[in-house]
Amino acid sequence: GAGVSQSPSNKVTEKGKDVELRCDPISGHTALYWYRQSLGQGLEFLIYFQGNSAPDKSGLPSDRFSAERTGGSVSTLTIQRTQQEDSAVYLCASSLGPQDTQYFGPGTRLTVL
Amino acid sequence: AQTVTQSQPEMSVQEAETVTLSCTYDTSESDYYLFWYKQPPSRQMILVIRQEAYKQQNATENRFSVNFQKAAKSFSLKISDSQLGDAAMYFCAYGLIQGAQKLVFGQGTRLTINP
Repeated sequence: GAGVSQSPSNKVTEKGKDVELRCDPISGHTALYWYRQSLGQGLEFLIYFQGNSAPDKSGLPSDRFSAERTGGSVSTLTIQRTQQEDSAVYLCASSLGPQDTQYFGPGTRLTVL
Repeated sequence: AQTVTQSQPEMSVQEAETVTLSCTYDTSESDYYLFWYKQPPSRQMILVIRQEAYKQQNATENRFSVNFQKAAKSFSLKISDSQLGDAAMYFCAYGLIQGAQKLVFGQGTRLTINP
């Protein structure tokens, strides 16, 4: 079946603009994670969704970052007023349940000029 | 807080030989998961192997095996009969055994396979 997909693959934006990154998890997976991979910070957890429960936002670096998951499926990560330090690869992963293997998407490379 | 350390930023090995990647971690939990993920240039993270801390037996997946030393908090990955397709970044990761598995990753080891 189809894996986790993310769009766009690459995004270049200007400092101060808002961006939206999309993640389509594997069908039937109830858990969805966002991670950020940057040169300075490595791979870090951002946010977690499980079913219809309130998301775990403990990894979000600032209030400029937000995410939603509509209908328990597609998720959108929004970064407002982008800064150069937001430049990174944003990875999405989904799993059947919270303790199951996470399957990753190919990521979105965000470049903030 | 849990931390994961990979002390080898780069490793290289001749094709068909064996290579071992190192990983140490720190946690106060007694039960947890440990993982090795592979990230090729395509960026997509692929699970290589998973170990449950309460299992004493080391996990194996074909040419990939781990040496899990719980007391030493060490979790190394051994790749036997290295193949050109094994070239990638390898990440060691830690996950909780209850609730959300918010993975904590090491800094990664870039593995090069020499033909």
